Amino acid sequence: AQSVSQHNHHVILSEAASLELGCNYSYGGTVNLFWYVQYPGQHLQLLLKYFSGDPLVKGIKGFEAEFIKSKFSFNLRKPSVQWSDTAEYFCAVNAGDNQGGKLIFGQGTELSVKP
Amino acid sequence: DAGVTQSPTHLIKTRGQHVTLRCSPISGHKSVSWYQQVLGQGPQFIFQYYEKEERGRGNFPDRFSARQFPNYSSELNVNALLLGDSALYLCASSPLPGEEKLFFGSGTQLSVL
Repeated sequence: AQSVSQHNHHVILSEAASLELGCNYSYGGTVNLFWYVQYPGQHLQLLLKYFSGDPLVKGIKGFEAEFIKSKFSFNLRKPSVQWSDTAEYFCAVNAGDNQGGKLIFGQGTELSVKP
Repeated sequence: DAGVTQSPTHLIKTRGQHVTLRCSPISGHKSVSWYQQVLGQGPQFIFQYYEKEERGRGNFPDRFSARQFPNYSSELNVNALLLGDSALYLCASSPLPGEEKLFFGSGTQLSVL
């Protein structure tokens, strides 16, 4: 069965620090990979996604993620975080066979950015 | 444009009761998915519906059921509530079932006492 593991439950950074959130998945076939973000008081929204092609994908608000197939990883990065990046971040995966609505989520990483 | 709307926003029930949660997708979206999010965990897939047909089901007991209406809105029903059903129930919509980008509602917070 597919599963997603996020290594950090809570990360605390100061503004301008660099961010990397780890995500590993288990699934042997073709996968689509996502990062969703939930800002305080708001609904889940898509940050970025990977389907195929360039393994380095860029999303909104300066975020990027790198797909490393050999490591089954899809880590999220941002060079310099802002206070407004405080949110919960979820890595998600689905099987690449038309399973668009069926996402498997990790347990989430809460990011707190200190001004 | 209105996003995905869910009702009610909060609900308190007792064990053994049943509950109905409602979801209206974004206009033009024909696929609706339901997720359960227990505190401290990521959302867990329950159902996906498209054109009133069930397209996928997660690992949930038969106490959970859902349906989709001709206007693409959807209901999630849970019978014989257990304490462990306390969670945030999220609805997500997309234009088609194969679409990879889901649009989530704010959820219904269900508390079972």
